[in-house]
Amino acid sequence: DAGVIQSPRHEVTEMGQEVTLRCKPISGHDYLFWYRQTMMRGLELLIYFNNNVPIDDSGMPEDRFSAKMPNASFSTLKIQPSEPRDSAVYFCASSLTGPNQPQHFGDGTRLSIL
Amino acid sequence: QKEVEQNSGPLSVPEGAIASLNCTYSDRGSQSFFWYRQYSGKSPELIMFIYSNGDKEDGRFTAQLNKASQYVSLLIRDSQPSDSATYLCAVRPSGGYNKLIFGAGTRLAVHP
Repeated sequence: DAGVIQSPRHEVTEMGQEVTLRCKPISGHDYLFWYRQTMMRGLELLIYFNNNVPIDDSGMPEDRFSAKMPNASFSTLKIQPSEPRDSAVYFCASSLTGPNQPQHFGDGTRLSIL
Repeated sequence: QKEVEQNSGPLSVPEGAIASLNCTYSDRGSQSFFWYRQYSGKSPELIMFIYSNGDKEDGRFTAQLNKASQYVSLLIRDSQPSDSATYLCAVRPSGGYNKLIFGAGTRLAVHP
């Protein structure tokens, strides 16, 4: 079975540019999560969706970040304008509903803002 | 106080020894507990989960849960150099939804 698919794997862009990260969850999963990981702050939950509806976006650092889930098989995380401090690895994860259901992670997008 | 706390390590153990990784959490109503392994430059991968007090074994791995003490641990028997990675403890808090709270991770180094 296909796992969580993220694209691109690597992104290098200049400060001020718009960045769009993409995620395809595991088919049938009704939860989707966006995380950011850095050495200093570890794994941070940014936002998560249930049945395509955003449930909690309190982890989104500021208005420059936005996320959408237009359908059950696709989500985007957008940064506009990007800043060097946004450089990190961004992970998408998905899960089924249930207290004992684990989250399954994609391979991540390594983002570098110059 | 952080919601999920782990010793950052590194925890260094010789090959063949038992590695013991510990995690404490603050939400007494937490429902279930997960251990993920993350190799450098890779994504977290699930090792096992536990939701009842006591021990749960899977191969060389044993998860232990003590809800009264708000403590969960992971034991790795017969540690191998390939076990060298960062181990993340994740806790599903009370209040519904499938959110996980992750600890900062413990880096394990198994030396030959």
